[in-house]
Amino acid sequence: DGGITQSPKYLFRKEGQNVTLSCEQNLNHDAMYWYRQDPGQGLRLIYYSQIVNDFQKGDIAEGYSVSREKKESFPLTVTSAQKNPTAFYLCASSIVRGLAKNIQYFGAGTRLSVL
Amino acid sequence: GENVEQHPSTLSVQEGDSAVIKCTYSDSASNYFPWYKQELGKRPQLIIDIRSNVGEKKDQRIAVTLNKTAKHFSLHITETQPEDSAVYFCAAVRPKPGNTGKLIFGQGTTLQVKP
Repeated sequence: DGGITQSPKYLFRKEGQNVTLSCEQNLNHDAMYWYRQDPGQGLRLIYYSQIVNDFQKGDIAEGYSVSREKKESFPLTVTSAQKNPTAFYLCASSIVRGLAKNIQYFGAGTRLSVL
Repeated sequence: GENVEQHPSTLSVQEGDSAVIKCTYSDSASNYFPWYKQELGKRPQLIIDIRSNVGEKKDQRIAVTLNKTAKHFSLHITETQPEDSAVYFCAAVRPKPGNTGKLIFGQGTTLQVKP
């Protein structure tokens, strides 16, 4: 399970609360991604970052925020503006150049539920 | 926008039979097509991928074919085993300036292999 570490494995959010999901990688990858997975559905991109101190919105960024202060870390905050946060959240990383570019490696995920 | 359609959504086969999952993509500029396997509650793991400069790639019991003209690609699993039971996702990547590596995922296929 080395390479990309997500924590916590399970997280519960109260009404009106912001929560932060951690994602750390030791693969020296430049790019990192956050996906949301709902039951029976595919993965939808929330945010991604190709370089430190820069990130872009994905397809469903509303109600979420991220930061990329270090290459190894890409935390995701689920804000109170996200009205339906219950889902499985997956973090991934990849290199952006070379033969292995675009191959994304995933963390084990965080399952977020609303109390 | 970019879209990937995956069929079927569920597939049930007898152990030893073959399984085929098909995906179509909308952006003709897409040039990288990975397949991920996700077991229940676990992270997606890359099982095979293909780039647009080849038409077929094989790795033991799994193979992927790509038809760029028709914009579709398929996953073939031969001699299926119970441990092949999982959700399979296809994805496509479109190169952009800077090659963001954004994956567009299909909706997933739940494969059940009956002993």
